[in-house]
Amino acid sequence: AQKVTQAQTEISVVEKEDVTLDCVYETRDTTYYLFWYKQPPSGELVFLIRRNSFDEQNEISGRYSWNFQKSTSSFNFTITASQVVDSAVYFCALSERNRDDKIIFGKGTRLHILP
Amino acid sequence: DAGVIQSPRHEVTEMGQEVTLRCKPISGHDYLFWYRQTMMRGLELLIYFNNNVPIDDSGMPEDRFSAKMPNASFSTLKIQPSEPRDSAVYFCASSSPGLGFLTGELFFGEGSRLTVL
Repeated sequence: AQKVTQAQTEISVVEKEDVTLDCVYETRDTTYYLFWYKQPPSGELVFLIRRNSFDEQNEISGRYSWNFQKSTSSFNFTITASQVVDSAVYFCALSERNRDDKIIFGKGTRLHILP
Repeated sequence: DAGVIQSPRHEVTEMGQEVTLRCKPISGHDYLFWYRQTMMRGLELLIYFNNNVPIDDSGMPEDRFSAKMPNASFSTLKIQPSEPRDSAVYFCASSSPGLGFLTGELFFGEGSRLTVL
């Protein structure tokens, strides 16, 4: 079964703190992609990153970093020195090569950055 | 490019009425997805098309829902008759495959917020 779990429904942190959003996935496929999307208050989902199952290198993009660990089936997202503009709902998603390109989203984590 | 365009942005209707949501994907994208977002269920995939052909409609809740893609630049999601539990934000997204496999960078529209009274 294909499944993406974001156990944290809502998180609040004070500005400048670091915060990690958890994502755990389930798949039987050996070839798959993982993603993170951001949904700001305006509502439109915005793609942040894509990772394939053969590339476990962590990635850093400015204040954002992603930790992909196949051993624990996790793809966590860390925001360093958070800012109020980071307030949004963040979705983790999964697609499998043998599942007709279906992209399944987790339920999202709502992140509040408090000034 | 103008991005994915959805209409209407907001729709309020009464139970039993027909609702039609529209989507224009990004030119050149041959995948089109319809998602529904609610607080309780999150973001659910309803149906998706490849080259105007429906590939998977297993997420369509019931026969009241139907989707069409008559050409590469237009798709509709229809609910008939509508019910209060259909109230949600409906997103359309488009994409194009890379590396011979859909790599998942979806481009979303701004969504259509539907309220059924």
